[in-house]
Amino acid sequence: GQNIDQPTEMTATEGAIVQINCTYQTSGFNGLFWYQQHAGEAPTFLSYNVLDGLEEKGRFSSFLSRSKGYSYLLLKELQMKDSASYLCAVLDSNYQLIWGAGTKLIIKP
Amino acid sequence: DVKVTQSSRYLVKRTGEKVFLECVQDMDHENMFWYRQDPGLGLRLIYFSYDVKMKEKGDIPEGYSVSREKKERFSLILESASTNQTSMYLCASSFLAGGDSGANVLTFGAGSRLTVL
Repeated sequence: GQNIDQPTEMTATEGAIVQINCTYQTSGFNGLFWYQQHAGEAPTFLSYNVLDGLEEKGRFSSFLSRSKGYSYLLLKELQMKDSASYLCAVLDSNYQLIWGAGTKLIIKP
Repeated sequence: DVKVTQSSRYLVKRTGEKVFLECVQDMDHENMFWYRQDPGLGLRLIYFSYDVKMKEKGDIPEGYSVSREKKERFSLILESASTNQTSMYLCASSFLAGGDSGANVLTFGAGSRLTVL
């Protein structure tokens, strides 16, 4: 079956760096997405990776290794507003999205 | 900005009632989706549509139906609500499937939290 694994919850300190990991086993691969979802709100798009390597976008970076079935989202200079759930999703060979359960990130002052 | 609007943020219904959840997008997107989101589970796809009057079953279509009479509107229908359908329902749209990353980015509505008593 298809599976996306990510930690359920992580805690970090304001101003620090945190890395949220995502591992996947899917039928084919056409890209990996990260979305951010604040409590009670809609998920919003953060990043897309289809080739191996690091994509940087301001304080957020996303890394992909297709051979390892692995991605991470790196958040730098954490702010209180980064407290949210982070969803990893993989586009499979049929261009269907397979979603992880999400990682709840708690930022402490 | 692309906007996806869901008609109701919160609904409380009784078992056996018929429930309509409406979703409208304003950016001429081809694809529209209905997901449900439950704690500890990833988003689960109920139905999706690639074009007007077209619909495809997702992973958990049982107990649901959909309607897409106009390109901008995608409705989710619970013919006879049950308590196990208590959930957050998310509508989303995207431009086109396949190929370009931008085309596959989903824009979500704010969600409709349904409680079935």
